[in-house]
Amino acid sequence: DAKTTQPPSMDCAEGRAANLPCNHSTISGNEYVYWYRQIHSQGPQYIIHGLKNNETNEMASLIITEDRKSSTLILPHATLRDTAVYYCIVLLTGTASKLTFGTGTRLQVTL
Amino acid sequence: KAGVTQTPRYLIKTRGQQVTLSCSPISGHRSVSWYQQTPGQGLQFLFEYFSETQRNKGNFPGRFSGRQFSNSRSEMNVSTLELGDSALYLCASSLFALDGNQPQHFGDGTRLSIL
Repeated sequence: DAKTTQPPSMDCAEGRAANLPCNHSTISGNEYVYWYRQIHSQGPQYIIHGLKNNETNEMASLIITEDRKSSTLILPHATLRDTAVYYCIVLLTGTASKLTFGTGTRLQVTL
Repeated sequence: KAGVTQTPRYLIKTRGQQVTLSCSPISGHRSVSWYQQTPGQGLQFLFEYFSETQRNKGNFPGRFSGRQFSNSRSEMNVSTLELGDSALYLCASSLFALDGNQPQHFGDGTRLSIL
């Protein structure tokens, strides 16, 4: 699975959009981009995933660049409850893909 | 729709004992995976079960074992507990077997402390 690079921390004001970047320059054509988050003392929470098209669900939007070398997770209206560590992962299709988390981005949402 | 349920949430054991952790997946999900999470090693894959069969196994000693029942519920057993087994044990379920396009949905874990 391709490696990912994320900034270690970010701040966002409550009510504003949080844009979390992820670099995956070695991604291959059949690898999906996944985003999870983990709030302290809870299990990881699946947010969204995509292959090459932009995706949106009730939680967030995922924007993948045309060359697929990077992506951005967008939380449209961040709240204090969105304060968490966000993990960007790349998983290969057709295999038993076991999740591993890097260091992620610690998002702090403030008043 | 109920999420993944893990019991118990907290457990304290002593070295040499054994422990069984339980996981009930999201209704309709047939794949259950187990992970160990520690501050030092991060998230590590233990094994995956699908249709009562172990499909994949991580690099853990044979003291770690699991099983899945016909209703997709799963149990994980750790025998001869060691201090280093202290961790958050997470269960994740997915609709089908892991294939890279299956989101895994996690429970809140069982925090195991070994004294």
